[in-house]
Amino acid sequence: QSVLTQPPSVSGAPGQRVTISCTGSSSNIGAGYDVHWYQQLPGTAPKLLIYGNSNRPSGVPDRFSGSKSGTSASLAITGLQAEDEADYYCQSYDNSLSVLIFGGGTKLTVL
Amino acid sequence: QVQLQESGPGLVKPSETLSLTCNVSGGSISSYYWSWIRQPPGKGLEWIGYIYYSGSTDYSGGTNYNPSLKSRVTLSVDKSKNQFSLKLSSVTAADTAVYYCARNLPTTQDGFDIWGQGTMVTVSS
Repeated sequence: QSVLTQPPSVSGAPGQRVTISCTGSSSNIGAGYDVHWYQQLPGTAPKLLIYGNSNRPSGVPDRFSGSKSGTSASLAITGLQAEDEADYYCQSYDNSLSVLIFGGGTKLTVL
Repeated sequence: QVQLQESGPGLVKPSETLSLTCNVSGGSISSYYWSWIRQPPGKGLEWIGYIYYSGSTDYSGGTNYNPSLKSRVTLSVDKSKNQFSLKLSSVTAADTAVYYCARNLPTTQDGFDIWGQGTMVTVSS
């Protein structure tokens, strides 16, 4: 069981907006540590999607956005496209475990 | 454009040591933190540890390992080859996974901005 909790799956139709939550605690997200998000397309390595809670690396479409509040963070994807179908992972640091931690991952299905 | 490429045996026997190398191309290994991350088949991601070129032991610099693996992990850097390596001792079937090398975020070191393609390692006799 992951320290950061994500829903196992979410789905949406093309063009719709979906959000993926990442719930932590006072020893990680709630302690002020940054949250990063990764997209893992089938059979490929993860790719940095959002860093520092809400920043997009160069080349990532602005359809992807991140936010953080309290002990949780969220990834929002607007204008859903078929190529967005992938696994999404949140990631942060936990000061009680002294470890960089990942959420369990969320599988996004585009209907 | 920095690129990472993992290499090493795809099959390791139980109780032996898993050894992988990550070649860094398109940039210097100096002045960055470098991590290993693994993903068991069909499961999520687990950070193994990171190393900084100059070396020492602390979250603020040098090497830092996941406490759950610390007793079995050794990371090292070969500056002359622009490579860094992972050794994981006393492996069991639970260590079967895709192993990724990655560069830590340059500013905060607490995330990963560049990843290798990954290499599958199976632990089996």
